[in-house]
Amino acid sequence: SQQGEEDPQALSIQEGENATMNCSYKTSINNLQWYRQNSGRGLVHLILIRSNEREKHSGRLRVTLDTSKKSSSLLITASRAADTASYFCATDGDSSYKLIFGSGTRLLVRP
Amino acid sequence: SQTIHQWPATLVQPVGSPLSLECTVEGTSNPNLYWYRQAAGRGLQLLFYSVGIGQISSEVPQNLSASRPQDRQFILSSKKLLLSDSGFYLCAWGSSSAGAPNTGELFFGEGSRLTVL
Repeated sequence: SQQGEEDPQALSIQEGENATMNCSYKTSINNLQWYRQNSGRGLVHLILIRSNEREKHSGRLRVTLDTSKKSSSLLITASRAADTASYFCATDGDSSYKLIFGSGTRLLVRP
Repeated sequence: SQTIHQWPATLVQPVGSPLSLECTVEGTSNPNLYWYRQAAGRGLQLLFYSVGIGQISSEVPQNLSASRPQDRQFILSSKKLLLSDSGFYLCAWGSSSAGAPNTGELFFGEGSRLTVL
């Protein structure tokens, strides 16, 4: 079953704008991760946030985690056309060996 | 540095034919290995994972099987393909910690696109 669900399913913005994607999950977690997938390619890890962390930054990426609401958000600031991709959250849920992925947000950044 | 190879990249198979997708990892030892499937425009479904040679955990009972004959080799197979087996198959590896739980970053291959006709 799906552990994480992203919202919105699709997002279209203008280059230079910020993009915010949300993820909700169901069980307790050790960490939550965000991945990016260009069309027809494998996934690439972006950032990992542990359950005892509330916010984390990496370049233009900002991730927040609210374990009380079982939710996370990924903010991409000053978006570029090259940011066009699908973005997935993943959690370890009830296992320490596997990651369960959400359904993803398809981001389109218009030049 | 570590690399992951997955092949074939694309294949078209008739219903009822067998399947073998192979994944190998280089530059690391005793990785945790994973097979995911992605339907068109959808999220990833975990099919199998392995924390050691010969150790396979199945997540979804279906027409597929997995094997790990060597430490860094993971194979996805089917004896008879179904139309519903079509999809994008992704292999991934993650670091293990001497048997201790570890769900850190996963590293993905470039995927194998399977079309069953």
